[in-house]
Amino acid sequence: AQSVTQLDSQVPVFEEAPVELRCNYSSSVSVYLFWYVQYPNQGLQLLLKYLSGSTLVKGINGFEAEFNKSQTSFHLRKPSVHISDTAEYFCAVSDMEGYKYIFGTGTRLKVLA
Amino acid sequence: GAVVSQHPSRVICKSGTSVKIECRSLDFQATTMFWYRQFPKKSLMLMATSNEGSKATYEQGVEKDKFLINHASLTLSTLTVTSAHPEDSSFYICSADPPAGVGGAYYEQYFGPGTRLTVT
Repeated sequence: AQSVTQLDSQVPVFEEAPVELRCNYSSSVSVYLFWYVQYPNQGLQLLLKYLSGSTLVKGINGFEAEFNKSQTSFHLRKPSVHISDTAEYFCAVSDMEGYKYIFGTGTRLKVLA
Repeated sequence: GAVVSQHPSRVICKSGTSVKIECRSLDFQATTMFWYRQFPKKSLMLMATSNEGSKATYEQGVEKDKFLINHASLTLSTLTVTSAHPEDSSFYICSADPPAGVGGAYYEQYFGPGTRLTVT
């Protein structure tokens, strides 16, 4: 079984500052890793995913994440945030069957002017 | 490509009535769709896996007689909340797993915009 931990429920950051949203996972098998963003009253949009290969993954909207197998982490980063990045961010894992997702509890990123 | 829609986006119903939520894959066929429930300021809880042509697989603790799922075609899954109660009020989201390569998708789910259900 897999589990996902997002330790930070809320992260406030000033506009144009860098941000890192943390995600740690637990699994007895190899997994695929995902970051999704959810704007208020909307569904989820994929930011990026790690399936295999390079551990540094670049996604949309200037986000990137690094897979660290030894630390079982997949932290999301952006070097300079905008007001429009204010949203809920979810980390998710799936086994390599690629079916069921296990989501973390989410991190609310609030970008301050 | 790989667009998932939901209808309605918002519904208010009276306690004791039933409400149906539709989830459609608009530009691909989905043999598998997923239904999630999201509580305020909480994560997504997988309710069930909807399989075209067969019975849905429910997660532990989800009442299958209350949350009826029908995957009638390769592009449509429906969730019916029967005899709704105020505690069923929530945000329901569906997702679909496109065949590999469709819309550039590999091993990822595409999510619908969600349905806000309010039971009064």
